[in-house]
Amino acid sequence: DAGVTQSPTHLIKTRGQHVTLRCSPISGHKSVSWYQQVLGQGPQFIFQYYEKEERGRGNFPDRFSARQFPNYSSELNVNALLLGDSALYLCASSFRDASYEQYFGPGTRLTVT
Amino acid sequence: GIQVEQSPPDLILQEGANSTLRCNFSDSVNNLQWFHQNPWGQLINLFYIPSGTKQNGRLSATTVATERYSLLYISSSQTTDSGVYFCAVGLTPDYKLSFGAGTTVTVRA
Repeated sequence: DAGVTQSPTHLIKTRGQHVTLRCSPISGHKSVSWYQQVLGQGPQFIFQYYEKEERGRGNFPDRFSARQFPNYSSELNVNALLLGDSALYLCASSFRDASYEQYFGPGTRLTVT
Repeated sequence: GIQVEQSPPDLILQEGANSTLRCNFSDSVNNLQWFHQNPWGQLINLFYIPSGTKQNGRLSATTVATERYSLLYISSSQTTDSGVYFCAVGLTPDYKLSFGAGTTVTVRA
């Protein structure tokens, strides 16, 4: 079975631009979570979606938004990019909530110049 | 939220040595996972271990939920064990995992 997939792998954007990152969960998983990892730190939770509804939101500004589609894939959108948004963005897939094992995709490395 | 502390922050080993990584957490959890982050950034699942003991080859893990800690053991370390090891915890009805800051392991030949 395919694991969690993310696209694109790498992305370079300019300050003020908008970016969309995509994630496809493991087949049969209905939960997708997004995490931001800056260099030297552990991943920080951004959003979680289950059955197309937002179930959790981390401490991130409104410039960050996400959605989940009927096929359970997900998009993370970031508007008005700042230099500080440069990070590795990770998507996690699980059957349901935090009590279930989470599986991570390879990540999208975003560089904002 | 749940606080997660990992120790030590850095570990340098000679190939063949054994080591223990520790994860302390501040509240009851019903998910605890250990990950190895490869050089390309992907988090590789090592153990899903909210309680008890598991072994997988040269790696093993123990979680004592009542005392709020988990240990990851690496035996006969190899250079391929190098990387960052993360502990992450979760608790229903929350949906997120809370991560520690990681332990950076360097295994020298």
